Amino acid sequence: GAVVSQHPSWVICKSGTSVKIECRSLDFQATTMFWYRQFPKQSLMLMATSNEGSKATYEQGVEKDKFLINHASLTLSTLTVTSAHPEDSSFYICSALTGGGYEQYFGPGTRLTVT
Amino acid sequence: QKEVEQNSGPLSVPEGAIASLNCTYSDRGSQSFFWYRQYSGKSPELIMSIYSNGDKEDGRFTAQLNKASQYVSLLIRDSQPSDSATYLCAVNILSNTGKLIFGQGTTLQVKP
Repeated sequence: GAVVSQHPSWVICKSGTSVKIECRSLDFQATTMFWYRQFPKQSLMLMATSNEGSKATYEQGVEKDKFLINHASLTLSTLTVTSAHPEDSSFYICSALTGGGYEQYFGPGTRLTVT
Repeated sequence: QKEVEQNSGPLSVPEGAIASLNCTYSDRGSQSFFWYRQYSGKSPELIMSIYSNGDKEDGRFTAQLNKASQYVSLLIRDSQPSDSATYLCAVNILSNTGKLIFGQGTTLQVKP
């Protein structure tokens, strides 16, 4: 149980374009999901908390107009990187909080390369 | 500032030995504690959660929590080369948000 999927697993896009990443909880409902970014050899950096049916809460320093988050259902959250630049190239990982509210399960991640 | 500290390593142990991974945290209000394993290029995988003082065992893994000392550890018995990975300690400080604070991770190398 507690399986989280992400799509796509990797994407290459041109500078200035937008990219949407989907995060799905496959066998449980998740009222809360999280979006992280990880640069090589660094730890996870929390970008935002996504709550179903409400606006996402962004961490300090994360541009909410650049990283658009939508959590329209109990099993799906999306992250859209708008007007992507090469410095946005990173490993983006989502996680979902189980119903008990304590354990986070991670998706497999999406590797974004902006050329 | 709420922090979770881990020794970055690498921690090198021979195959079959016990690997001991340590983590300290600064917020006494922390409620829940987790260990994640992350292989290179992959996302983190939850391997242990612990909520109360003492030991919790699951197969070759034992998590230990001491809230008075603000210390949580992970023991891996009979270490295997496949255990070679980065181990992330995570602490939940605000239980109603589910938000986790992660340590920098400890890299474990198990040598055959």
